[in-house]
Amino acid sequence: QKEVEQNSGPLSVPEGAIASLNCTYSDRGSQSFFWYRQYSGKSPELIMSIYSNGDKEDGRFTAQLNKASQYVSLLIRDSQPSDSATYLCAVTSSSASKIIFGSGTRLSIRP
Amino acid sequence: GAVVSQHPSWVICKSGTSVKIECRSLDFQATTMFWYRQFPKQSLMLMATSNEGSKATYEQGVEKDKFLINHASLTLSTLTVTSAHPEDSSFYICSARDLTRGSTEAFFGQGTRLTVV
Repeated sequence: QKEVEQNSGPLSVPEGAIASLNCTYSDRGSQSFFWYRQYSGKSPELIMSIYSNGDKEDGRFTAQLNKASQYVSLLIRDSQPSDSATYLCAVTSSSASKIIFGSGTRLSIRP
Repeated sequence: GAVVSQHPSWVICKSGTSVKIECRSLDFQATTMFWYRQFPKQSLMLMATSNEGSKATYEQGVEKDKFLINHASLTLSTLTVTSAHPEDSSFYICSARDLTRGSTEAFFGQGTRLTVV
């Protein structure tokens, strides 16, 4: 079992709709959870961090965390073509000594 | 805030030579720096974690004598790829965080695309 699992996609969403990205992790001791966006050929950019159960909203982005289910998600409202990218879920190890990345979900917003 | 600068952004070198990549935190102190490698259409693979003033901790399968990491100050870490070969061609990315700020968030440099010919 991979430490952080994501559906590789591609996930195709019409412009203006809600994009939903999911991630599961295996380390129950993980305490910090992140979503990064990576455009092709570029390095990842941090877009959301979440530390406690529930929802956290920042603009068009909402991160959701359920530690009991070991599940993290990212919702993107009013999707724009510029949101087309690979979204990486990342989780700290239980010791917080390192950050483990999922393989990423490729999101495509179609006009 | 939280700017990480990586240099060079791309480099081409001959097989057998060594290449040094620098990673600097510009507006915060990086207590921890991470080095990743990413092959095309694949995810980030953590190579090593370095804490300022300590030896780096390498992930399983990463040769520490080939990938030399130095984190001599709170704002600078370097990765040297020694005796590079074509299979070392990849996108190398550093990230840094400052645990003294009470946050585990890590911020990435721009990445270095290494091509070994």
